[in-house]
Formats: sequence, C-alpha cells, structure tokens
Amino acid sequence: QSALTQPASVSGSPGQSITISCTGTSSDVGAFDYVSWYQQHPGKAPKILVYEVSKRPSGASNRFSGSKSGNAASLTISGLQAVDEADYYCSSYTTSSTVIFGGGTKLTVL
Amino acid sequence: QVQLVESGGNLVKPGGSLRLSCAASGFNFGDYYMSWIRQAPGKGLEWVSYISHSGPNIYYADSVKGRFTISRDNGKNSLFLQMNSLTADDTAVYYCARDEKWGSLDHWGQGTLVTVSS
Repeated sequence: QSALTQPASVSGSPGQSITISCTGTSSDVGAFDYVSWYQQHPGKAPKILVYEVSKRPSGASNRFSGSKSGNAASLTISGLQAVDEADYYCSSYTTSSTVIFGGGTKLTVL
Repeated sequence: QVQLVESGGNLVKPGGSLRLSCAASGFNFGDYYMSWIRQAPGKGLEWVSYISHSGPNIYYADSVKGRFTISRDNGKNSLFLQMNSLTADDTAVYYCARDEKWGSLDHWGQGTLVTVSS
C-alpha cells in the first residue's frame, strides 16, 4: 500500500496560518475518521498533535486543528511560531486493519 | 507519567536476527494496543506492526510480514519485536508507541537504532 500523499514542504511567516494536506484513498482516509497528525523535531520522537481527524490530546496547542473531506485530510497551524518548524506526518487506519503514514512535510518558518 | 523505553538496537549483518524490547511504565500496559514504527535515516515514518491488548490481534506491514514477529508480556509491561532475515532496507530507528485507538499513537519511546550492514 502506498504512503498517503503530503506536500514535501510548506513555509510561512510568523503569525500566519498554513495548511498541510494529506491525500489517501477510500481504503484509508476516506474509510474511517481515524486520521492522526504528528510533529517531529530533528532527532526527536514524533509527538501526536491531532487524532480522530480533529481531536486534540490533552496538552496539545489549540493552534493545531485538523479536518477531513472525502479521501483528504488537512492540518492547519495558526499563529505560526518559530518552534513550529519541524516535520509533520499524517497517518490513517486502513480497511486492511493496518496503519499507513504520509511521506511527511517539512515546515519552514521564514 | 507514561514512559516507553526501547532497547536492543545494534549493528547486524544481512540475513541476521535481532530482538527489540520496549519497557512501558506509568500506565496500565495491558489496557492498550501497542505498535512498532520505524524511520530509515533521512526518511519518513513507516508503521511496522501492532498487537492488541492480550495479543490475539496482530497485523504487520507487507514489508516485514513473514520476517518480523511482534509479541508482548503484560506481566512484565514489555513489548517485543523479533526481526529475522534482516536486509539493508531494515536499517532504521525503531520506535514503540502506545496506540490509544485505531492507530492514534499518543506516546512514543525515544527509539533504538538498528543498522544492517556487512
């Protein structure tokens, strides 16, 4: 199964909002509301930002929000900060009872 | 607080085997699915396998099916990954993660490096 499709890179200035897309198929993103988003800083373990499309775990910043339409999900980061510069990954549960990740998006804060 | 600590990563020759462990603490280990995820150097995340609370439900990525075996010991709060017939493509940092629900990986370990090279 191929990875979910994410843009390789996005950028934005401090204070701006950016959106990262995650495109799958009817066998993964489109099949369930089990899309998660993760942030990974260099040399660190990933950290969950959003789960079940739009839910935030306790302690996660409300500047991160998720949504989904059909086979595509997206993560929006509002009020960009320098600390947001990192790699971002989406993932989805699949109809094969497996989990699939996106290829990752590198966010640069200008 | 939730802690996951992986161990067992090492340099191994192609065709060799390795067993990774993940020690869990700070939560009721037996209440959660657990997953292994890997990340090749400079690459993205790849889900490897998950195991249900008491072990009857186990799934693998196609890339490791038939070569890797996931298991757990709830009495010892430990998760394992037995890796056989290793190839250079298996070189990666391997993370264990707690699966809150259907692939929502809410806590991750720091990872352990597996290098497959002659």
